[in-house]
Amino acid sequence: EAGVVQSPRYKIIEKKQPVAFWCNPISGHNTLYWYLQNLGQGPELLIRYENEEAVDDSQLPKDRFSAERLKGVDSTLKIQPAELGDSAVYLCASSAGRGENIQYFGAGTRLSVL
Amino acid sequence: GESVGLHLPTLSVQEGDNSIINCAYSNSASDYFIWYKQESGKGPQFIIDIRSNMDKRQGQRVTVLLNKTVKHLSLQIAATQPGDSAVYFCAENIRSGGSNYKLTFGKGTLLTVNP
Repeated sequence: EAGVVQSPRYKIIEKKQPVAFWCNPISGHNTLYWYLQNLGQGPELLIRYENEEAVDDSQLPKDRFSAERLKGVDSTLKIQPAELGDSAVYLCASSAGRGENIQYFGAGTRLSVL
Repeated sequence: GESVGLHLPTLSVQEGDNSIINCAYSNSASDYFIWYKQESGKGPQFIIDIRSNMDKRQGQRVTVLLNKTVKHLSLQIAATQPGDSAVYFCAENIRSGGSNYKLTFGKGTLLTVNP
């Protein structure tokens, strides 16, 4: 069974440029999460989707970050414009449902903003 | 404020020894805890979980202990192997009403296994 798939694995851009990350969750998983992970830190939640609805986006910097999950399956996270401080690993995770369901993570996209 | 922390940022053990990784949490409303393992260049990988109505749970070579009195969580790895070398995160699940919940991760402990 395929796990959570993310692309690209690495992205290098100049500041002020836009960037987008893509995530394909585990088949059948209704809940999808985007996390940000800085070096040496644990993942921090950016947004959580239940199917196509963003049910928790309180930690998403909405001035430059946006996300969508139009058909309740794949999701895209976008940053526009990117800033130097956005350099980090962006992780996508999915789970079968709410609450205590285990979250399964993708390998992440490592973003470097120059 | 809410926090999940680790007592030891690094842990170095010899192959075959047992490892114990500790985690302190501060939110008494946390009802579910997960340990994740993260190898370099990979995403966090689920190891074991425990609900707040339990104080111990065992898996293959791993045991998680939960002490709600002192808000402490530990991960024990038996017969540690070089492949166990990674960063280990504890995460707590906090319910904020209805279907709202949030999984909060600690900073992580780097486990190094020496052959």
